[in-house]
Amino acid sequence: DAGVIQSPRHEVTEMGQEVTLRCKPISGHNSLFWYRQTMMRGLELLIYFNNNVPIDDSGMPEDRFSAKMPNASFSTLKIQPSEPRDSAVYFCASRTRETQYFGPGTRLLVL
Amino acid sequence: QKEVEQNSGPLSVPEGAIASLNCTYSDRGSQSFFWYRQYSGKSPELIMFIYSNGDKEDGRFTAQLNKASQYVSLLIRDSQPSDSATYLCAVTNFGNEKLTFGTGTRLTIIP
Repeated sequence: DAGVIQSPRHEVTEMGQEVTLRCKPISGHNSLFWYRQTMMRGLELLIYFNNNVPIDDSGMPEDRFSAKMPNASFSTLKIQPSEPRDSAVYFCASRTRETQYFGPGTRLLVL
Repeated sequence: QKEVEQNSGPLSVPEGAIASLNCTYSDRGSQSFFWYRQYSGKSPELIMFIYSNGDKEDGRFTAQLNKASQYVSLLIRDSQPSDSATYLCAVTNFGNEKLTFGTGTRLTIIP
């Protein structure tokens, strides 16, 4: 199994631009999580899905952030418009039983 | 008060010694406890989880849980330079897939 796949691995954009991050969970995992990691705030859960349905989006910082999971093998996290304070590493994780498996992350820099 | 607290370190331990990492949590309803290791620039990976009071051993790693004191720890025996990483403590409630992470402890093993 290839593990959780995220793209792009690195993204540099200018303030105000739309950013779309993509995630392919491990096949058979029915829960998917989006996290953001910064030095100041650590690893924060943004949103998670179970069977493609959003269960808890209380961690989404504001309306500029949105996430979708149109099917069991694909999810997106979109930031529109992006701001410099959104610069962080964004991780996607999928879960089976008790274990969450993290993807390699997308390092986002908003100038 | 943060929900999950860890000493940020850095914690320096000589090679071959025992490294002790500590974590406290505020929610008495927490049921499951996880230790993740994160190398610099990489994604978190699960080391072990524990549900019941007492010790759980896996190779050189031992997790210890004391629910009365709301305290969970990770011991690493015979520390190796390859153990140098940030260790993240995470907790969740029964029936809840949502993990709450501490900010992590940076561990350095000195050869």
